Amino acid sequence: EAQVTQNPRYLITVTGKKLTVTCSQNMNHEYMSWYRQDPGLGLRQIYYSMNVEVTDKGDVPEGYKVSRKEKRNFPLILESPSPNQTSLYFCASSTDRDRGYEQYFGPGTRLTVT
Amino acid sequence: KQEVTQIPAALSVPEGENLVLNCSFTDSAIYNLQWFRQDPGKGLTSLLLIQSSQREQTSGRLNASLDKSSGRSTLYIAASQPGDSATYLCAASRQLTFGSGTQLTVLP
Repeated sequence: EAQVTQNPRYLITVTGKKLTVTCSQNMNHEYMSWYRQDPGLGLRQIYYSMNVEVTDKGDVPEGYKVSRKEKRNFPLILESPSPNQTSLYFCASSTDRDRGYEQYFGPGTRLTVT
Repeated sequence: KQEVTQIPAALSVPEGENLVLNCSFTDSAIYNLQWFRQDPGKGLTSLLLIQSSQREQTSGRLNASLDKSSGRSTLYIAASQPGDSATYLCAASRQLTFGSGTQLTVLP
């Protein structure tokens, strides 16, 4: 089954404790991205990757890091989480963003930073 | 910078009604317009994708149209059902920019 998976689905952590949210897709997609969703602000892009070893900032990259060492994986790293990073996070993939191929989203990771 | 607006923010209709959700965007230089459905606390499910060269797409009871020149897209839902209750999001690409969504409730 074609899918995007994220882990963990739920995470409660404390300020400053480094964490990683994993994202994996099994569709051989080149393009992957991370979004956060907040009430009243909608979905905003954090980082995206056009291919292996190619990443770029989205609209709200501060406080986040990403890496793309393999085509299927695109982890999101919070080196020193803060309470304003409490949010619902989504990973997505598609074959080719610029050609408007269909975006597939993961189930989401709900992060709470206390 | 692209801005995407969805009206109304919330909509409640009785079962069986046909309804239209609206999406407007400020930059007409898009590659596509995509409609998603999101259930509470869940991920996004793609409903329809309209390429910039297309005028509409249909899937079952759903029909989406695109008018790039006016910066508008509509999602038409025919014969609505309680199972259609969800938040509907539109997103315009180049860089995928989302609207804030329309929360739809279909009353039995």
